[in-house]
Amino acid sequence: QSVLTQPPSVSAAPGQKITISCSGSSSNIGSTSVFWYQQLPGTAPKLLIYDNNKRPSGIPDRFSGSKSGTSATLGITGLQTGDEADYYCGAWDNSLTAVVFGGGTKLTVL
Amino acid sequence: EVQLVESGGGLVQPGGSLRLSCAASGFMFTTYWMHWVRQAPGKGLEWVANIKQDGSEIYYVDSVKGRFTISRDNAKNSLYLQMNSLRAEDTAVYYCARALGGPGGYWGQGTLVTVSS
Repeated sequence: QSVLTQPPSVSAAPGQKITISCSGSSSNIGSTSVFWYQQLPGTAPKLLIYDNNKRPSGIPDRFSGSKSGTSATLGITGLQTGDEADYYCGAWDNSLTAVVFGGGTKLTVL
Repeated sequence: EVQLVESGGGLVQPGGSLRLSCAASGFMFTTYWMHWVRQAPGKGLEWVANIKQDGSEIYYVDSVKGRFTISRDNAKNSLYLQMNSLRAEDTAVYYCARALGGPGGYWGQGTLVTVSS
């Protein structure tokens, strides 16, 4: 049981847009910054979003992040087959004094 | 080029010990918090521990407290994870990562730890 809650899967056609939700509590998302990672099959996770909505250099603006209260959302527009991956949200939890992750969301581009 | 290279994984019996190492290069190691994150086969990510730049702050996930010890040697640009009293549920790929939630977030390729008799 993950501290942060994500939908197990999401799917859409190429060119479409999707959103992935990440729900937490006042001790994590509600009071700290959210980050998002993409894990392509068989590879290490790659940072997509940090500080709720900032993209590291090299990450296309098709990827976006937002936060409201105790929830966060990852958005991907112009879906490509290469976006098929597992996506994880994460944040620091002030009560647990630990980094917590969501259970991951598998994106399928049909 | 930023590189994080983990080593030290392998097969160990329940109750045994392993020491993982992570060699960092291509960046100023002393300016980053460092982390260990693990991923059991077919499962999601689980954060294990982190350590501040100078080693003055360390945190662990509850399930490894008292069994695992994270440390770093800034002179050698290296991060370590001493794992004792290993259990079957510790079986996972262990990743070394820098600045997990910051702009410099970067992970190594991981090393597999298998705990089995």
